Amino acid sequence: SAVISQKPSRDICQRGTSLTIQCQVDSQVTMMFWYRQQPGQSLTLIATANQGSEATYESGFVIDKFPISRPNLTFSTLTVSNMSPEDSSIYLCSVAQQGSTGELFFGEGSRLTVL
Amino acid sequence: GENVEQHPSTLSVQEGDSAVIKCTYSDSASNYFPWYKQELGKRPQLIIDIRSNVGEKKDQRIAVTLNKTAKHFSLHITETQPEDSAVYFCAALSGGGADGLTFGKGTHLIIQP
Repeated sequence: SAVISQKPSRDICQRGTSLTIQCQVDSQVTMMFWYRQQPGQSLTLIATANQGSEATYESGFVIDKFPISRPNLTFSTLTVSNMSPEDSSIYLCSVAQQGSTGELFFGEGSRLTVL
Repeated sequence: GENVEQHPSTLSVQEGDSAVIKCTYSDSASNYFPWYKQELGKRPQLIIDIRSNVGEKKDQRIAVTLNKTAKHFSLHITETQPEDSAVYFCAALSGGGADGLTFGKGTHLIIQP
């Protein structure tokens, strides 16, 4: 499976600031997704990161709050903007490899705590 | 969109016994159903999956069954061991893979020694 690197692995942020999370994959992948996992909860899809075009957001998530970039097949960023304590979560990058039919693999996650 | 329900939320079993976790899905077009195991502080790890063209799949102590008519699928773990303790998530994939996975709420499996 692909090796997925996320950074930062964790951070403590002040209310009102923004933080960008990076996801780097060691091979070309077809699909890249960003998930959020709030404490003790399940995984919720934020958006699909589309190469060279705007991300596709799920209901309840908007581009102004979670801008996403995907300049190529191996890299994506998620920004959490104007953070509040409610944004304290683990944010996970996930990928589907070329030729696969559904299998998703996850990065280690970025644990954000907003004070 | 897809909706996945998972039960139970917590399951405690004696070491060596079997554990069963059940999920239902809403979208009849969903065709791929993976199960993930997440240990505390770790990423979700794919442990087994099943596609809609088969009814059962087994990998050592782990098996998954799928009933397309009833739209439910289950994870079976036999001869449970302490290292099986974790949170397990079921998921369903619809939209030809372009929509990402929809996850159940998770089951906290506790293996009692």
